[in-house]
This record gives sequence, C-alpha cells and structure tokens, in this order.
Amino acid sequence: QQQVKQSPQSLIVQKGGISIINCAYENTAFDYFPWYQQFPGKGPALLIAIRPDVSEKKEGRFTISFNKSAKQFSLHIMDSQPGDSATYFCAASQGNDMRFGAGTRLTVKP
Amino acid sequence: KAGVTQTPRYLIKTRGQQVTLSCSPISGHRSVSWYQQTPGQGLQFLFEYFSETQRNKGNFPGRFSGRQFSNSRSEMNVSTLELGDSALYLCASSLAGISSGAYGYTFGSGTRLTVV
Repeated sequence: QQQVKQSPQSLIVQKGGISIINCAYENTAFDYFPWYQQFPGKGPALLIAIRPDVSEKKEGRFTISFNKSAKQFSLHIMDSQPGDSATYFCAASQGNDMRFGAGTRLTVKP
Repeated sequence: KAGVTQTPRYLIKTRGQQVTLSCSPISGHRSVSWYQQTPGQGLQFLFEYFSETQRNKGNFPGRFSGRQFSNSRSEMNVSTLELGDSALYLCASSLAGISSGAYGYTFGSGTRLTVV
C-alpha cells in the first residue's frame, strides 16, 4: 500500500528551467515531510524538509510548497542545473516511521 | 566525521541461501533503520533499531530479520533468499530516529544484493 504517491516518474528539464515534483499523502498523522536526492551508487541525501505548520520553505534554489488541506506537497528546483540530475524522493513520517514516494528521475539538459 | 558504513557493497547469492548485511552508524548515533530499494517499489521500510531493541517494523516477511549490538552497529539477515530479494539495501543512522528531524538522519551507500 503506497502511502505517499509521487509524480512524475521521470522529468526532463532544460538548464535554467524550473523542475517541479509533486507528492500526495493519505495519512493525516504524518507530521514531517523531507525530500531526498540520490545519485547513482549513493544513498539518499537530505535536501530540505518541512513540517505541516508552514506552507512554504526555501533553501537556496530548492523550495517546498505544502498544502495541508489537500494533503499535497511539492518540490520546486529553480534554475535547474545539469548537476541536479538525480533521483528525488519525497517522504512523510510520523514518529519514527518514515514512508517514501516511488521517486522521480530528473534529467537536466545543458 | 565518518559517515554511515555498509558492508559489503556488492553481494551475489544463490536462491535459497541466506545473507547477512552490516551497517556501522555514525559515532554516537543510537538509531539504525533499514530500507529495501527496488526500481519498482522505491524505498520500503524494513525495521528500525534503537539501543539494541527493534522499535518499528515494516511489512516484510519473517525471512527478514535484524539486530543491533551494544556499539550500535546493526546487521540484517535474509534467509531462504528469493529472486525478488534482489535490491539495494540501505541503512540510515540518527541520534534518536526520524522523529528528531531529518537533518541528522544519514543514509549509507547501501549493499547491492543480487540473487541468482
């Protein structure tokens, strides 16, 4: 049972463009929403995280938008660069139980 | 500061065999979580250990088990391997689990298990 649904599966963006990845969750008890970036041969690395008491959080070129009523959240990567090409995972946690989306493979073309 | 170390990095086993994977957390971290990553299913939570006790368990069959030692190092074991167990197995260490925040929740590079 997929508790966190992520879309799209893959995304191709031109250098300098905006990459947008969306996630939706079912369990309203989730109270923490991190995003991870994974390069081939490496484990996921934290990009940015948000709690549901804020609607937006920005760190550099990365922004999370959070819509609690719709149970949706998204990652925006501004000025996308070829070095951002990786797989991105959204996640949702409650206590010490964290569930991941299926991942989005992002390719940024030069 | 050393990161999370997983050994071995690659492993090939035959169906029906058993396998043990190891995870050495960051010094001082007491929580170790294990995940299975496959192309079709993404990251699936296996279990979490904190201070040598299993605190959370995902929805995997009993063939998957784990333990944690007093130095916080953890092992996971898969018995009677099936072809579908081929995956990247990741562990993540933290001071007290994801509930204390993702900024100290660090993944290792994983063990790539292939079952033939």
